Amino acid sequence: QSALTQPRSVSGSPGQSVSVSCTETSSDVGGYSYVSWYQHHPGKAPKLMIYDVSKRPSGVPDRFSGSKSGNTASLTISGLQAEDEADYYCCSYAGSVVFGGGTKLTVL
Amino acid sequence: EVQLVESGGDLVKPGGSLRLSCAASGFPFSSYHMNWVRQAPGKGLEWVSSISNSRNYINYADSVKGRFTISRDDAKNSLYLQMNSLRAEDTAIYYCARVPGTRAFDLWGRGTLVTVSS
Repeated sequence: QSALTQPRSVSGSPGQSVSVSCTETSSDVGGYSYVSWYQHHPGKAPKLMIYDVSKRPSGVPDRFSGSKSGNTASLTISGLQAEDEADYYCCSYAGSVVFGGGTKLTVL
Repeated sequence: EVQLVESGGDLVKPGGSLRLSCAASGFPFSSYHMNWVRQAPGKGLEWVSSISNSRNYINYADSVKGRFTISRDDAKNSLYLQMNSLRAEDTAIYYCARVPGTRAFDLWGRGTLVTVSS
């Protein structure tokens, strides 16, 4: 059974860059190719920000980027803006679907 | 407008049943795999169940297997989740979410609240 570990919180000032990590703990390393990231403002529908590790859906600003090294995927947000303050979740979709515990991003 | 709208959430006693619905509009519903994802109070997202566009593939999280049933009616552009033997730990906002060819949820509804309490 896969598990995805995220930091509980990260913060940054407007204009800065922040990264959110997502580490997979599982023997099935090969299944960690379908990593996606979601932005969730409480009370609203979650929004897909990154899929297939590093691809950005149409309409998502290029300030958002994704990468993966070994068992750790990362979401990087550059040029932080106030509206980026939200919860961010990583997800592995391979066989079974697993979400990380979520990271609260605070824009100082 | 392309959207998903969930309904059917309510307060129900432990052991009770509830049926959630998700109405899709603005896209060819029958072409998409569909899922239910939930979020318990103060917790993160948890995948619940998925159904393929052909209904050939249906999967459930271990936490709901044997108690929940996912289904779809393509003629009505609707997704359903029948929830039986509800437990307090099933209390959550339930979201329906669409999966296109990629393995990611590209469209979500705003959710419907299910509260299981005596």
